[in-house]
Amino acid sequence: SQKIEQNSEALNIQEGKTATLTCNYTNYSPAYLQWYRQDPGRGPVFLLLIRENEKEKRKERLKVTFDTTLKQSLFHITASQPADSATYLCALGSPTDSWGKLQFGAGTQVVVTP
Amino acid sequence: EPEVTQTPSHQVTQMGQEVILRCVPISNHLYFYWYRQILGQKVEFLVSFYNNEISEKSEIFDDQFSVERPDGSNFTLKIRSTKLEDSAMYFCASTPGGAGHYEQYFGPGTRLTVT
Repeated sequence: SQKIEQNSEALNIQEGKTATLTCNYTNYSPAYLQWYRQDPGRGPVFLLLIRENEKEKRKERLKVTFDTTLKQSLFHITASQPADSATYLCALGSPTDSWGKLQFGAGTQVVVTP
Repeated sequence: EPEVTQTPSHQVTQMGQEVILRCVPISNHLYFYWYRQILGQKVEFLVSFYNNEISEKSEIFDDQFSVERPDGSNFTLKIRSTKLEDSAMYFCASTPGGAGHYEQYFGPGTRLTVT
């Protein structure tokens, strides 16, 4: 069965450093992979999407890489700030329906301390 | 900036009762979804909806669940006879569709508590 794994342990990081989160998946060939941010009690907020034929995507202080051979995505927050503290979710898109369901990982909590 | 809205923010109901969760997706979006998140667990897909019909549903979305788009703006999730295990946060989402637009926009959620 399909499996999406993210670091279950919270990532504690000092302000200004780079946070790196991992998303691994098995038994799946997604057309794309997305990263979302979720604050407590709130809905996920879209951050970045990377397609299966793309290696890297950037948006401001965020960077995503996608290795379909390793079945892994890395999500980086550079120059982290306390406001970046949240849970970050990896989500895989359907291989057959571009606007189909998203399958989410359990998320990794990031805590940025001043 | 347009956003997905959901009502109510919190619904408490007794086991066996029917509930309707309401969503107003972003106005020009074409694809609609319901997800749920049990406390401390991951976000789970329930159902997707396009062109006034269900595109896909998960194993969770059994005969107790139904969705409807009664007019041009609302999108509802009905649970006919709630169970204790239906207690969760329910998120509505929408996406514009069209080439390259696969990101989903989520609402703030409705917290459903079944007692």
